[in-house]
Amino acid sequence: AQSVTQLDSHVSVSEGTPVLLRCNYSSSYSPSLFWYVQHPNKGLQLLLKYTSAATLVKGINGFEAEFKKSETSFHLTKPSAHMSDAAEYFCVVSAPNTGGFKTIFGAGTRLFVKA
Amino acid sequence: KAGVTQTPRYLIKTRGQQVTLSCSPISGHRSVSWYQQTPGQGLQFLFEYFSETQRNKGNFPGRFSGRQFSNSRSEMNVSTLELGDSALYLCASSPQGDSRSTDTQYFGPGTRLTVL
Repeated sequence: AQSVTQLDSHVSVSEGTPVLLRCNYSSSYSPSLFWYVQHPNKGLQLLLKYTSAATLVKGINGFEAEFKKSETSFHLTKPSAHMSDAAEYFCVVSAPNTGGFKTIFGAGTRLFVKA
Repeated sequence: KAGVTQTPRYLIKTRGQQVTLSCSPISGHRSVSWYQQTPGQGLQFLFEYFSETQRNKGNFPGRFSGRQFSNSRSEMNVSTLELGDSALYLCASSPQGDSRSTDTQYFGPGTRLTVL
């Protein structure tokens, strides 16, 4: 079985300060982990993904995430928030399933960026 | 390459009607997945198609169905619409679509369905 938990439904930061969006997962198999971002009235865009290579994954727009197996976490960080980062972020776990793979989305974390 | 396209973008229906949504994947992608997004339930997986076959299915009633054509384009159908079916329906395509879970899914902009 697999699951994903985003620990914060809302995060608010000031522009120029660091961003931390937390994600914990569980999976019976070695999972692939993804972070997607969704801006209002838009589809989801991939920020980064982990697929059992380097544990520190760099994505687009200055985001990165570290896979920590011992803590079953895959937190998303960015050193300095920008106003354009305000959006909803989804942590996703994907693992083999009968005939294919199973993908589960976290509930999402809405990021607010204050000027 | 053109991205994933979904039509229509917005749709208003009444209870009891049926609706068909369309998704055109990125050229060369063979797998298409459908998701329902609502404020209360978040993003929920509906089903995945690969080579015209439904390979994975989420926990939705039989009123939700889909199909995939030989050119990988996909449609989903919802019959006997209920108020609770109001949602953003997202389609995603992925390159390989085989049993590997490492594929990145590329999402379309979604179809916003409102049921009155």
